[in-house]
Amino acid sequence: RKEVEQDPGPFNVPEGATVAFNCTYSNSASQSFFWYRQDCRKEPKLLMSVYSSGNEDGRFTAQLNRASQYISLLIRDSKLSDSATYLCPVGGYQKVTFGTGTKLQVIP
Amino acid sequence: DTGVSQDPRHKITKRGQNVTFRCDPISEHNRLYWYRQTLGQGPEFLTYFQNEAQLEKSRLLSDRFSAERPKGSFSTLEIQRTEQGDSAMYLCASSTHGTLATNEKLFFGSGTQLSVL
Repeated sequence: RKEVEQDPGPFNVPEGATVAFNCTYSNSASQSFFWYRQDCRKEPKLLMSVYSSGNEDGRFTAQLNRASQYISLLIRDSKLSDSATYLCPVGGYQKVTFGTGTKLQVIP
Repeated sequence: DTGVSQDPRHKITKRGQNVTFRCDPISEHNRLYWYRQTLGQGPEFLTYFQNEAQLEKSRLLSDRFSAERPKGSFSTLEIQRTEQGDSAMYLCASSTHGTLATNEKLFFGSGTQLSVL
């Protein structure tokens, strides 16, 4: 089983739509969870941290479910500029591991 | 610029040649990671350091790959006898890893794009 699994997509959604991605992880000892955004041919950039109680940053909401070992990202009112690949690295006392990423394409 | 820097940005080489990449992390960061990424895939873990100690190297990595972080600051990644399958973006990231192991945010460099002809 892969350490971090994501649906690669692509998710094609119209502008203004709400879209959600999930990410599952296999190591129950994982301690740190984030969402990163990666534009084509660029490096990943931190979007937001993910906390156990859930957290929100503008149109973005992240949640962590430790019992089921998944994290989620909800994007409301999608903008064209949200088109990118979304990565969910998972870490802890050992290395930080990435999944394949989920590609989002917001359509006019 | 106080971010992570990688050099070179692009490298074109012929099969069989050796290449070396450099990464300068954010100065106060104690962890440094190397990842490899091909189109449509997420960053694939290669190796990481805590200060100068190499803590893990991917089992998928052949003996042609070696990395160093001699003084716990910059790091180099060397690929010997390059193959066409080594063509990829090589990403370096650094972080501060504390005893609680939570909230380890990675900051990435712009990457080195390797093309093996």
